[in-house]
Amino acid sequence: ETGVTQTPRHLVMGMTNKKSLKCEQHLGHNAMYWYKQSAKKPLELMFVYNFKEQTENNSVPSRFSPECPNSSHLFLHLHTLQPEDSALYLCASSQGPGQFYGYTFGSGTRLTVV
Amino acid sequence: GQQLNQSPQSMFIQEGEDVSMNCTSSSIFNTWLWYKQDPGEGPVLLIALYKAGELTSNGRLTAQFGITRKDSFLNISASIPSDVGIYFCAGPPGGSQGNLIFGKGTKLSVKP
Repeated sequence: ETGVTQTPRHLVMGMTNKKSLKCEQHLGHNAMYWYKQSAKKPLELMFVYNFKEQTENNSVPSRFSPECPNSSHLFLHLHTLQPEDSALYLCASSQGPGQFYGYTFGSGTRLTVV
Repeated sequence: GQQLNQSPQSMFIQEGEDVSMNCTSSSIFNTWLWYKQDPGEGPVLLIALYKAGELTSNGRLTAQFGITRKDSFLNISASIPSDVGIYFCAGPPGGSQGNLIFGKGTKLSVKP
């Protein structure tokens, strides 16, 4: 396994469901990020974790709940989502905040809320 | 909030042609990054620029850090079909510690 791995690749969920997205990095990085990518909009930073501690929550609704049990794993727990939350959710990792050259993205989870 | 403006939004070119795209900001950036995103994949870093005026190449790709520190350019020479994708510029707003903002992207289509 190399790089940043996200599972599942695709997810369809109802508005009352609870699901989780998983991200795992094998790069020895200390910082991990969740981004949302919607059509015709720039990538939106959601959460930042550095050494397992959340350092940024970019005004994300509470129906998105991140979890970072260790520096290699990042989860995004989803609950009571809305159709407008349908998007590509990307995880990224870097050596640390301010370390951009090795900033690596996963392939994303395509989420559809019905 | 701060944002990066990319142009053009999309390009349709013939294989073999050269491509130019740019990214501008109303505020100063100390780092510029260029990413490419293939369909169904996450963005992949192409080139990183760290100094005003810097010109860096990666194969057929060349990127420049504008001397005003408010813009950057990406050129692709002799385009090939696998250059198809969305190209994003990104950077940390001045004073930011590790959080990138992204442009909306330039979608490149290459006709064989």
